[in-house]
Amino acid sequence: GAGVSQSPSNKVTEKGKDVELRCDPISGHTALYWYRQRLGQGLEFLIYFQGNSAPDKSGLPSDRFSAERTGESVSTLTIQRTQQEDSAVYLCASSLGANGQARYEQYFGPGTRLTVT
Amino acid sequence: AQSVTQPDIHITVSEGASLELRCNYSYGATPYLFWYVQSPGQGLQLLLKYFSGDTLVQGIKGFEAEFKRSQSSFNLRKPSVHWSDAAEYFCAVVPNTGNQFYFGTGTSLTVIP
Repeated sequence: GAGVSQSPSNKVTEKGKDVELRCDPISGHTALYWYRQRLGQGLEFLIYFQGNSAPDKSGLPSDRFSAERTGESVSTLTIQRTQQEDSAVYLCASSLGANGQARYEQYFGPGTRLTVT
Repeated sequence: AQSVTQPDIHITVSEGASLELRCNYSYGATPYLFWYVQSPGQGLQLLLKYFSGDTLVQGIKGFEAEFKRSQSSFNLRKPSVHWSDAAEYFCAVVPNTGNQFYFGTGTSLTVIP
């Protein structure tokens, strides 16, 4: 697996339920980003992980959103008590390196399409 | 606050014609600048990037972009469009000391034979 993978590819959930989205970054990539893309919109930054440093959570829209990453491996984005406005495609990206320009060269996964009914 | 504007929501060009997609950003200093392409059913792919130096940058698939500091613009160009270029194109910026990327709302490109 050379690329970033995300699961599930599609998720339909009822309003009020919790959901967990998973991202497997490219092996060796220390940086990991989560984004939300609403229909017809650009990407909204949610959170950034770099190695074992404290994540940059400045983009999380509410305390219903949280994300975890252990070391430089898999990350999960959790949305609690989902609302209809959470319906979107959630994209994960990884990049190589903590310093220099390489950390900005993101490789994106295919995304998880979340529909809240 | 930073912002990225892509004024053209949708563009239609004939195959073989030239293309220019506009991108303007609002930021106090020169950020790092990127163009991504999102094809139907595909993930986002980096087309090209600008960090510093030569203001005309070359990317993949025959695309280029020019950074114009005075206009806060980073327009994407291609001299001759191919039908396979039909996709959604996103401009993005990140402050050169930050982590948060700011994306434009995208320009949808249709290519007609």
